[in-house]
Amino acid sequence: DVKVTQSSRYLVKRTGEKVFLECVQDMDHENMFWYRQDPGLGLRLIYFSYDVKMKEKGDIPEGYSVSREKKERFSLILESASTNQTSMYLCASSVGQFNEQFFGPGTRLTVL
Amino acid sequence: GEDVEQSLFLSVREGDSSVINCTYTDSSSTYLYWYKQEPGAGLQLLTYIFSNMDMKQDQRLTVLLNKKDKHLSLRIADTQTGDSAIYFCAETPNDYKLSFGAGTTVTVRA
Repeated sequence: DVKVTQSSRYLVKRTGEKVFLECVQDMDHENMFWYRQDPGLGLRLIYFSYDVKMKEKGDIPEGYSVSREKKERFSLILESASTNQTSMYLCASSVGQFNEQFFGPGTRLTVL
Repeated sequence: GEDVEQSLFLSVREGDSSVINCTYTDSSSTYLYWYKQEPGAGLQLLTYIFSNMDMKQDQRLTVLLNKKDKHLSLRIADTQTGDSAIYFCAETPNDYKLSFGAGTTVTVRA
């Protein structure tokens, strides 16, 4: 079974802090994704990566950056957390063109 | 996702059929997907349909695709309490990305 793990289920940070969200997949997938999920808005793509050290902006990249130094790991970075970044963050991975994405359990981030 | 629209809530009685509807915009989508999210969990692929198909059946699930109207539906027969979840419709605007709807929260009542 494909497994996508995220470093934390719940995280509470203060405004202005730098926040790292880690995601690891164990199936050698080329593609990895970061989404945020908000009620009534569904999933919105923040960034994705189709190869090591490659990254592409998604629909809402402002205020975020990413890092992919190894194939299995994709990190989302909030350089200076703000209250409007309070959300559920979901990581996913996929391979090939079929596009079935496998999701992690999510990190619920609260920024105070 | 503004390109994929679905109603936000559906309440259904246990044992009845549920129908969740979705409209999408990208006619070039090769596949269309239904994902399920149970409380406290990530999304899991429930079923998918290839764009040259009209219907796909998989046990209690039936997916109908109307390409002319860009309309996708998911029917769950004999709905059970374990079907209570959020259901997301998704299209594929390019080879890598999925574009999701806002999700339909299905509540199954006894």
